[in-house]
Amino acid sequence: EAQVTQNPRYLITVTGKKLTVTCSQNMNHEYMSWYRQDPGLGLRQIYYSMNVEVTDKGDVPEGYKVSRKEKRNFPLILESPSPNQTSLYFCASSYLVGGWYEQYFGPGTRLTVT
Amino acid sequence: TQLLEQSPQFLSIQEGENLTVYCNSSSVFSSLQWYRQEPGEGPVLLVTVVTGGEVKKLKRLTFQFGDARKDSSLHITAAQPGDTGLYLCAGGGNYGQNFVFGPGTRLSVLP
Repeated sequence: EAQVTQNPRYLITVTGKKLTVTCSQNMNHEYMSWYRQDPGLGLRQIYYSMNVEVTDKGDVPEGYKVSRKEKRNFPLILESPSPNQTSLYFCASSYLVGGWYEQYFGPGTRLTVT
Repeated sequence: TQLLEQSPQFLSIQEGENLTVYCNSSSVFSSLQWYRQEPGEGPVLLVTVVTGGEVKKLKRLTFQFGDARKDSSLHITAAQPGDTGLYLCAGGGNYGQNFVFGPGTRLSVLP
């Protein structure tokens, strides 16, 4: 089954404690993204990756890091989480159709930073 | 930064009614996408429109891309409770670009 998986699904942590949210896709897609979703603000792209070892900032990259060492995995790293990073996070995997990408989203990770 | 606005923000209707939601921008997009998101799940792609003036139909859902490629609409005919969800429009995502999402329209269809 084609899917995007994220782990963990729920995470409560404390300010400053480094954490990683994993994302994996089994569709051999080149483009992967991370988003955060906040009430009233919609989905905002944090980082995206066009391919292995190629990453770029989205609209809200501050406080986050990513890496793309393998095509299937795209982890999101919070080196020193702060309460304003409490949010619902989605990973997406995309394939190129014509000149645009169509996205498949993971189930989400709800992060609370206290 | 390109921005997308959606209206209305909330919509509550009775089963069987028709409705239209809108997605607008001051920027030109080479394509726009519509997603539906249900509680506790990630968004699911419904359609991509790429040509100005394009109309696409998906069962009872009709999507239109404005002639100037700055706006789009989603029309639902005879809404059903299963249509309940958050409808999101998104643009960008072309090669080398980041995606931009609108804030969404939360639709509730009451039986």
